[in-house]
Amino acid sequence: DSGVTQTPKHLITATGQRVTLRCSPRSGDLSVYWYQQSLDQGLQFLIHYYNGEERAKGNILERFSAQQFPDLHSELNLSSLELGDSALYFCASSVWGPNTEAFFGQGTRLTVV
Amino acid sequence: GESVGLHLPTLSVQEGDNSIINCAYSNSASDYFIWYKQESGKGPQFIIDIRSNMDKRQGQRVTVLLNKTVKHLSLQIAATQPGDSAVYFCAEARGGNQFYFGTGTSLTVIP
Repeated sequence: DSGVTQTPKHLITATGQRVTLRCSPRSGDLSVYWYQQSLDQGLQFLIHYYNGEERAKGNILERFSAQQFPDLHSELNLSSLELGDSALYFCASSVWGPNTEAFFGQGTRLTVV
Repeated sequence: GESVGLHLPTLSVQEGDNSIINCAYSNSASDYFIWYKQESGKGPQFIIDIRSNMDKRQGQRVTVLLNKTVKHLSLQIAATQPGDSAVYFCAEARGGNQFYFGTGTSLTVIP
């Protein structure tokens, strides 16, 4: 158990809908990272938050947004969902920035039908 | 363009043999690297990390080697076991704001 908790584990939704994925980082970790992993693909960086502030953006679509709350948990919002958004979404956390160990949650498997 | 890549997409080894998984990176400014193991349907699991001021680091049955001259990273697994079968990713930290991941190497251990 990495200490990073993601909910829900599975999500099935229809095209055009909006979903929210939640991540609770390890206790004491200030950074949260979101990644998308499509079938048989590597991990695509989406966004990084540090202590409530956005620090870096990767290949995140405009339909996607995220935030980190004062209690340091984070949410990834995906809207106007398309079939191609079906993927595993992972959250990772680290104590500081990406110069410290990052630990991953078990992911949320999103299926858009 | 810049990338973190792996030399081999798949690797098969006999149980008990040593495994070596390679990773190339192109940004000489990268200063922190992590190896992850990902089993099917699970999140990446931290294995070992290394900073650019080191060229070798050892953990339990694993060793990471960093060659900054040729921008190459490797993961050595000693006495490979069936439970080591997984996809292995290297991750590179650049600019202090994000990790970049390679495409992964699938390791299969043959009993």
